[in-house]
Amino acid sequence: EAEVAQSPRYKITEKSQAVAFWCDPISGHATLYWYRQILGQGPELLVQFQDESVVDDSQLPKDRFSAERLKGVDSTLKIQPAELGDSAMYLCASSLVSSQETQYFGPGTRLLVL
Amino acid sequence: KQEVTQIPAALSVPEGENLVLNCSFTDSAIYNLQWFRQDPGKGLTSLLLIQSSQREQTSGRLNASLDKSSGRSTLYIAASQPGDSATYLCAVRSGNTGKLIFGQGTTLQVKP
Repeated sequence: EAEVAQSPRYKITEKSQAVAFWCDPISGHATLYWYRQILGQGPELLVQFQDESVVDDSQLPKDRFSAERLKGVDSTLKIQPAELGDSAMYLCASSLVSSQETQYFGPGTRLLVL
Repeated sequence: KQEVTQIPAALSVPEGENLVLNCSFTDSAIYNLQWFRQDPGKGLTSLLLIQSSQREQTSGRLNASLDKSSGRSTLYIAASQPGDSATYLCAVRSGNTGKLIFGQGTTLQVKP
């Protein structure tokens, strides 16, 4: 069964450093999402791509976060500089073209900022 | 602004019991509602997706219902097993962009 791939699975960094997360969606899925989940809470959307275009980045802290999906396939989420409050699980999800479809989630990247 | 609430936050039941998890949302204008399972430190696994035109969906021992007018959904788990222990999250899609609004989840423990 096809799955969403993410790497790394775990990342420990010091504040003010740069970190990057990678996501490879299920083949053929045009829509890709990045969510952030703080411990004990539900995920919150950071950015949504339709192919290579950003559809929604209203909750992305643009002063330090950036995301790209250059060829409309895999995606990278970057944080620079990292802050203590960025410690969370970063989840990537994908769905087929229509926004009515089920979203499939990857295993996530757990970030700890010291 | 859509808000999603799940009650209770935690639930502990003996093995074999039937149980119901609750999800409520403030804006009834939704496209669909999705239930997920999350094991500790892991990603989300989709359990059931209910479109706004549907009343319920079933998969094995799971049954999810949707009442848009009252802003409520329930996830019914029959004959619970220790392997069902996890956090269950509901999420609604309100806009046409695909963005999901999640509740905080119900952490279920099924004791042998």
